[in-house]
Amino acid sequence: NAGVTQTPKFQVLKTGQSMTLQCAQDMNHNSMYWYRQDPGMGLRLIYYSASEGTTDKGEVPNGYNVSRLNKREFSLRLESAAPSQTSVYFCASSEVFAGSGNSPLHFGNGTRLTVT
Amino acid sequence: AQSVTQLGSHVSVSEGALVLLRCNYSSSVPPYLFWYVQYPNQGLQLLLKYTSAATLVKGINGFEAEFKKSETSFHLTKPSAHMSDAAEYFCAVSASGTYKYIFGTGTRLKVLA
Repeated sequence: NAGVTQTPKFQVLKTGQSMTLQCAQDMNHNSMYWYRQDPGMGLRLIYYSASEGTTDKGEVPNGYNVSRLNKREFSLRLESAAPSQTSVYFCASSEVFAGSGNSPLHFGNGTRLTVT
Repeated sequence: AQSVTQLGSHVSVSEGALVLLRCNYSSSVPPYLFWYVQYPNQGLQLLLKYTSAATLVKGINGFEAEFKKSETSFHLTKPSAHMSDAAEYFCAVSASGTYKYIFGTGTRLKVLA
C-alpha cells in the first residue's frame, strides 16, 4: 500500500526559482494538507483542502500556492523561492468528512528543500 | 481556536525506565487529540488518538495516554523504555467543525543504554 506519496524527496533551488511539490494519496481520503517542519517549530500548516475543489490557507501560506487537481492529488507551488522556505515539507491526508476532525492524518515521507 | 504545548523539547531516559512526554492543549470546543512519532528521515506515524470514547487510550508499541479535561492535558507514557523508542514525538489537536490539525513543537526522546 503506497499511502501518501511525495515527489521529489530532495530539491535544491536558487533564490527566485520556482518549483512544484507533488503529492498523491491512494486511500480515497477527502482532505489533504501541506505542512512545513522546521527545527524547534514543529509542523506548521501551509494550506489544506477539505475536499476536492476547495483550498484554504493555514498558518503560514505566504509565498505558496496550492492546487487540488483531483481527489488524489494536491500540489504545492513555490513561485519565487526564498532562503526562508528552506524546510522539510510534508503532505498528509485524512478521511475527515464534514469537519468531523476525529480522523488521524496520514503522512508522506517528506520533501527536503534547500534554497540557496 | 486550538493550540498545543509540549513541555520539554528533549527528554532522556534510561532503557527500562518510565517514559513521560507532556502535552497540554487549549480548545474552545471538545478536542480530539493525537500523538505521532517521527523516526529520522521519515514522515509522522500515528501512535494513538483520543476521540472522546475513553479517557485512557492505548496505542502501538506499548504507549498510552490519558485525557484529563480538568488539567487540559494528554500526556504520553510507556512503562519501560526501549532503545527503539528513540524518536521525535508530536502531540496534535483537532476538533469537530474544523479541518485543521494543530501540532506542538515536538519532544525528542533519547534512550540511554
